[in-house]
Amino acid sequence: SQKIEQNSEALNIQEGKTATLTCNYTNYSPAYLQWYRQDPGRGPVFLLLIRENEKEKRKERLKVTFDTTLKQSLFHITASQPADSATYLCAPRDDKIIFGKGTRLHILP
Amino acid sequence: DGGITQSPKYLFRKEGQNVTLSCEQNLNHDAMYWYRQDPGQGLRLIYYSQIVNDFQKGDIAEGYSVSREKKESFPLTVTSAQKNPTAFYLCASSLEGGNNGELFFGEGSRLTVL
Repeated sequence: SQKIEQNSEALNIQEGKTATLTCNYTNYSPAYLQWYRQDPGRGPVFLLLIRENEKEKRKERLKVTFDTTLKQSLFHITASQPADSATYLCAPRDDKIIFGKGTRLHILP
Repeated sequence: DGGITQSPKYLFRKEGQNVTLSCEQNLNHDAMYWYRQDPGQGLRLIYYSQIVNDFQKGDIAEGYSVSREKKESFPLTVTSAQKNPTAFYLCASSLEGGNNGELFFGEGSRLTVL
């Protein structure tokens, strides 16, 4: 069955450092992959989309990579800030979007 | 402002009662979705609709029903047949239901069964 794995434990990163979140998927070949941010008690908010023919995508302090051979996407936040603390969801898509469980990120001041 | 609105934000229900969660969007999006989120879990797809008067079951449709009579509205009914309905429910829409596009989410409805 299709499976998505994100860092199961919360990630604690010192302010100013780069946070790297991992998304691995198995048993399917998504045409593209999305990343969302979710704050407690709120709906997810779209951040970035990367297509299977793109290796890397950037938006401000965010960078996403997509390796279809490894079946993995990495999500980087550079110069991290306490306001970046949230849960980040990975969502690969082929015929439908499937969400990972998310990684809770804590940026420590 | 354009957006997607869910109501109510919090809802309490007694066992055996049906409840309906509202979802309205003014983004002129064709596709709409309902997800369920449990603590520490990812979003699981309940139902989705790519066009008015048509909808499909997602991965966990049992005990739920939907309608799509208008483009902007996609209400979800949690029936008494749903064994474990306490959860956070999220509605989303996208410009088209095909292989493109980001999802725009509402703020969610938290249902608690007493």
